[in-house]
Amino acid sequence: QQQVKQSPQSLIVQKGGISIINCAYENTAFDYFPWYQQFPGKGPALLIAIRPDVSEKKEGRFTISFNKSAKQFSLHIMDSQPGDSATYFCAASMFYQNQFYFGTGTSLTVIP
Amino acid sequence: DTEVTQTPKHLVMGMTNKKSLKCEQHMGHRAMYWYKQKAKKPPELMFVYSYEKLSINESVPSRFSPECPNSSLLNLHLHALQPEDSALYLCASSPLGAGGNGELFFGEGSRLTVL
Repeated sequence: QQQVKQSPQSLIVQKGGISIINCAYENTAFDYFPWYQQFPGKGPALLIAIRPDVSEKKEGRFTISFNKSAKQFSLHIMDSQPGDSATYFCAASMFYQNQFYFGTGTSLTVIP
Repeated sequence: DTEVTQTPKHLVMGMTNKKSLKCEQHMGHRAMYWYKQKAKKPPELMFVYSYEKLSINESVPSRFSPECPNSSLLNLHLHALQPEDSALYLCASSPLGAGGNGELFFGEGSRLTVL
């Protein structure tokens, strides 16, 4: 059973545009929602993360929007650049459980 | 030092070989993980060590044998693997307990090819 559902599977965006990736979860015990960025041949790297006590977190061009009642969260990449082309995974975990549930991933391509 | 170091980066082995993957972190994290990742798929949890004790084993076949010699090192011993075990093997660590923020730090991975 997929604990975290992610969409779309792939995304093509023009340079300068906004990339939006969505995730949904069912388990209300989740209290930590990170996004990971992975380039080919590399390990995933933490991009940005949010806890359910806030509805939005922004770091540079990357923003997480969190809707606790809908059990959804999304990643917005503003002014998308070709260097942002990578696979993005959302995840969810319970703080003291140390087990992370990953979404299925979104392959983002930013075309010049 | 915020790195998780994995060796080797690439490994090719036959089905009768015995090899090991190694992982090291010096961030003082007390939880360490092995994940398996197939192309275009999310990381798939294999094992979790908490305070050097195996706390989660996700029904991984016995041809994969984890070992945590100390709080900084994590090994994955491989024996009699199958071609379908070819994948990127990722080590990760995270803080554990009070004060930990849940962040998961990944290594670059070991690309394993089983012939």
